[in-house]
Amino acid sequence: GEDVEQSLFLSVREGDSSVINCTYTDSSSTYLYWYKQEPGAGLQLLTYIFSNMDMKQDQRLTVLLNKKDKHLSLRIADTQTGDSAIYFCAENLVGDSSYKLIFGSGTRLLVRP
Amino acid sequence: NAGVTQTPKFQVLKTGQSMTLQCAQDMNHEYMSWYRQDPGMGLRLIHYSVGAGITDQGEVPNGYNVSRSTTEDFPLRLLSAAPSQTSVYFCASSHAGGAGETQYFGPGTRLLVL
Repeated sequence: GEDVEQSLFLSVREGDSSVINCTYTDSSSTYLYWYKQEPGAGLQLLTYIFSNMDMKQDQRLTVLLNKKDKHLSLRIADTQTGDSAIYFCAENLVGDSSYKLIFGSGTRLLVRP
Repeated sequence: NAGVTQTPKFQVLKTGQSMTLQCAQDMNHEYMSWYRQDPGMGLRLIHYSVGAGITDQGEVPNGYNVSRSTTEDFPLRLLSAAPSQTSVYFCASSHAGGAGETQYFGPGTRLLVL
C-alpha cells in the first residue's frame, strides 16, 4: 500500500541550507507535494513535482527526486528563522482525485539564530 | 478572496456532545474535503465532496457526518463526540478533482473532547 515517511525533526543554523527528506512507496506516476505548516495555521503549498521530473527550483527552494529510490528532498537555501515550521511531504496518485493526498507525518524544522 | 475559512478556531466538548465544524470557501471550488491531523501523523481524509449535493467517505469517516447544500459551505458534524476525536481538523478545497490539482487549506479547528 501507499506510505510516505519523513524524519521527525531537523535543526539548522540561520543562513545554512536545510534538507528535508521524504520517501514514498507507490507507483511510478504520481504528484509529490511539499506543504509548510506554521504554528496555529493551515497547510500552505510550497511546491510540487511530477514523478517524471528530476528537479524543480523555485527561488530558495529546490526539490530533488530520485525515482529509483523513491526519495524526495526539499532543500531550503539560506534558511531563515521564518522558515521554522512543520514541512509535510504528500503524494497524490495519478488516477486518484486531488483530495486523496497521502501525507507523511511531517518534519519539524527549527532554525537557530 | 478570503480563501478557505473555518470556525471555530478552538472548541472543547464533553463526551457525547454534538457540534458542527464550519468550513466555507469563496473561490467557487467544486471539490471540498475534511482532514484530521493527529500528533506524529500526517493528515487523514475524513469526508469529501465533488460538488453540491454529493458527498462520500474518506479514510476515517466513522463518527462524522457531512452535507453539501451549497458550493461554498461544507460543514462537518460530530453527532456524539468521543475523546478519540480530539484532533485538529482541516478543511480544504480545489477547483477540480484531478491528481495534481492544488488544494487550498483552511487554518484548522482544534478540538478537545473530554
